Amino acid sequence: KQEVTQIPAALSVPEGENLVLNCSFTDSAIYNLQWFRQDPGKGLTSLLLIQSSQREQTSGRLNASLDKSSGRSTLYIAASQPGDSATYLCAVRLNYGQNFVFGPGTRLSVLP
Amino acid sequence: DAGVTQSPTHLIKTRGQQVTLRCSPKSGHDTVSWYQQALGQGPQFIFQYYEEEERQRGNFPDRFSGHQFPNYSSELNVNALLLGDSALYLCASSLGPERNTIYFGEGSWLTVV
Repeated sequence: KQEVTQIPAALSVPEGENLVLNCSFTDSAIYNLQWFRQDPGKGLTSLLLIQSSQREQTSGRLNASLDKSSGRSTLYIAASQPGDSATYLCAVRLNYGQNFVFGPGTRLSVLP
Repeated sequence: DAGVTQSPTHLIKTRGQQVTLRCSPKSGHDTVSWYQQALGQGPQFIFQYYEEEERQRGNFPDRFSGHQFPNYSSELNVNALLLGDSALYLCASSLGPERNTIYFGEGSWLTVV
């Protein structure tokens, strides 16, 4: 059974800092991995999708890496801003067309 | 272009009652998945509907059932509500059940008292 964990559970940083969020999964035979953002009381917004054959993806100030063999992914946020404050969730898909297995999320607060 | 819409946004039910939540997929999408997200946790997959049939199901009891209509909209029904069913229920849609890109709605907050 695939299990996904995220460290840290919560993080508070001053504006402008670079930060790294971590995601680990137990079954390395994944199809892809996706990072989502969730604002309080809201739905999920997709940030980055990494296919199993890829090592990283970048979008603006965000960079996500994937190391399948070790069962890890990281989300790097450069020059953090207060608007980045949200919960960040990683999710994996085991097979083509299968549902997502989500981690519990990291709650990020960026202080002005 | 409307995204995924869900209704109601919030509701309160009494233990033992039944509830129906509704989802309209993003325009052009034909596949709907439902997830349950308890407070402070990640979403858990309930089931997926495609071509009006349940295609996949997560580890949820039979009290959780669903339906997909010819216009691709979907309902999630929960019978005999328990306090532990209190959660945010998220609907996600895609074009086809095997596409990478899925879109989530804002969710329906269910409180069982």
